Amino acid sequence: DQQVKQNSPSLSVQEGRISILNCDYTNSMFDYFLWYKKYPAEGPTFLISISSIKDKNEDGRFTVFLNKSAKHLSLHIVPSQPGDSAVYFCAASGWTGGGADGLTFGKGTHLIIQP
Amino acid sequence: NAGVTQTPKFQVLKTGQSMTLQCAQDMNHNSMYWYRQDPGMGLRLIYYSASEGTTDKGEVPNGYNVSRLNKREFSLRLESAAPSQTSVYFCASSGSLYGYTFGSGTRLTVV
Repeated sequence: DQQVKQNSPSLSVQEGRISILNCDYTNSMFDYFLWYKKYPAEGPTFLISISSIKDKNEDGRFTVFLNKSAKHLSLHIVPSQPGDSAVYFCAASGWTGGGADGLTFGKGTHLIIQP
Repeated sequence: NAGVTQTPKFQVLKTGQSMTLQCAQDMNHNSMYWYRQDPGMGLRLIYYSASEGTTDKGEVPNGYNVSRLNKREFSLRLESAAPSQTSVYFCASSGSLYGYTFGSGTRLTVV
């Protein structure tokens, strides 16, 4: 059973507009959530995270929102730029920082920014 | 540059052959991990090591073994490769609030 779900395999957004990537989780023990960005032929790189004690975290153009009651988080990218085209993975942990027992990843969403 | 180094980057094996994927980190992280990435499946945890001298199974450990040689190095071994093990393998390490640092991956094809 998939504990972290990214239901949109791909998303196409026009340059300059807002990109919204969604993620749902089922395990109520998760208390730390992260987004990773991955370019082809490279490893994933950390983008932004949020602890379950918060409902929003911002870093420049990137904002992550967490709705604990709905077990839902989203990543907003404003404005979207061509370099944002990549696969984005949502990940969750039961221990702040990634946990000794590993992060659980979603299947990823391929974001395509159209010029 | 500081980070996680994986070798080799590419490998083709015949069914039944064995090989070891190497991983080293220079960030003094305690925890290290091996993931595999398959199309439409995301990243799945194979094995992890919470600290030097300990290893534990992840979600998909069958057909693999690991060794945490020291704090820096964590290797993944395929004793008898199968076509189902064709995948991209990522090593990662963790030691902070900011999740993992990943290596650039090993693309393995088993024919």
